[in-house]
Amino acid sequence: NAGVTQTPKFQVLKTGQSMTLQCAQDMNHEYMSWYRQDPGMGLRLIHYSVGAGITDQGEVPNGYNVSRSTTEDFPLRLLSAAPSQTSVYFCASSRTLQETQYFGPGTRLLVL
Amino acid sequence: GNSVTQMEGPVTLSEEAFLTINCTYTATGYPSLFWYVQYPGEGLQLLLKATKADDKGSNKGFEATYRKETTSFHLEKGSVQVSDSAVYFCALRSGSEKLVFGKGTKLTVNP
Repeated sequence: NAGVTQTPKFQVLKTGQSMTLQCAQDMNHEYMSWYRQDPGMGLRLIHYSVGAGITDQGEVPNGYNVSRSTTEDFPLRLLSAAPSQTSVYFCASSRTLQETQYFGPGTRLLVL
Repeated sequence: GNSVTQMEGPVTLSEEAFLTINCTYTATGYPSLFWYVQYPGEGLQLLLKATKADDKGSNKGFEATYRKETTSFHLEKGSVQVSDSAVYFCALRSGSEKLVFGKGTKLTVNP
């Protein structure tokens, strides 16, 4: 099993550019989520999904969009990147909200 | 709301030293408590968990006991190794709420 995969591993953007961070899982998990990790801040929830077609906002959703057209994929979109979005982004999945979450390896994003 | 407070790092120890990383929490209801570990360049992995008061979670020589009376879930290991160098996150989940993470504690173990 590949588990949770994320691409790219590293990306540099200029302010105002758009991009999509990809996340996929092959465990047939219903629950998927995106976090950002910043020094001294721990992990903060951006968006999450409890199943295909259902998404909701987390703690820090501004500047990010998500969609969940399939169980496997949960892409995170930055429509107009800002330097404040420089961070490491982690995708996670679990069978249900209450069960153990499995994390991807992360995407390191630098916005200049 | 729910929150987790863990000791600030970084923590630097010599190999075979005793480790304690403190974690206290505030939560409504009866939360489940977790410790996650993040090795350099990797994502988070669940290290151990406890789902009710007085439960002890353990894995890879690490232990943590769910103490309801002190609202704590301190992580301990009797003899750390260089390979334990990582960032450790305490987390909780209460009912149908999402996971809430502490800010993380970076541990460096020197040979």
